[in-house]
Amino acid sequence: DTAVSQTPKYLVTQMGNDKSIKCEQNLGHDTMYWYKQDSKKFLKIMFSYNNKELIINETVPNRFSPKSPDKAHLNLHINSLELGDSAVYFCASSHYSPSNTEAFFGQGTRLTVV
Amino acid sequence: AQRVTQPEKLLSVFKGAPVELKCNYSYSGSPELFWYVQYSRQRLQLLLRHISRESIKGFTADLNKGETSFHLKKPFAQEEDSAMYYCALRVTGFQKLVFGTGTRLLVSP
Repeated sequence: DTAVSQTPKYLVTQMGNDKSIKCEQNLGHDTMYWYKQDSKKFLKIMFSYNNKELIINETVPNRFSPKSPDKAHLNLHINSLELGDSAVYFCASSHYSPSNTEAFFGQGTRLTVV
Repeated sequence: AQRVTQPEKLLSVFKGAPVELKCNYSYSGSPELFWYVQYSRQRLQLLLRHISRESIKGFTADLNKGETSFHLKKPFAQEEDSAMYYCALRVTGFQKLVFGTGTRLLVSP
């Protein structure tokens, strides 16, 4: 009965590969997000989708392509992985609200590019 | 531009000591502020939000618009409070949270 679930939890891959991270939420939220946490624990938003529509793209390289097949899913596909992509990626979801909305986070996916 | 500053990377205290994790923000609109906590190997979760004015796990935070601060306080720290704490600002009209760089709280016995 996990609210926001991500798979895989750990991902180790070589430079140049293409990989995907999946995210699903069962909270009935209409907005989903991807955040990146770097090695210094700095957490920054990458994308936000509302009702399957992209509403935030924070100057993320084109190698990152989010896809939202429905409101409950937001997947992240990364092409041509680079060493600097190594980080923990968090999926989150919330209601689209003008104020005071809580975001629920997944457990994170630790991506290591070697 | 919106910015959240947490000046301390690490705060180390003894059990029973008071704790204050600092957070300052820069935002031209009406701020909505949150504290999120990440315990070891667990997901990020909401601790409290300024609009609720509630106390969670003994923690409180007051929004001070004059000082543009939202410091997190607890009078008596417990070992189980050891975690990473993030202050976050919600940008009104946009569905995103701007996080500070986080403060690791370490409570020693």
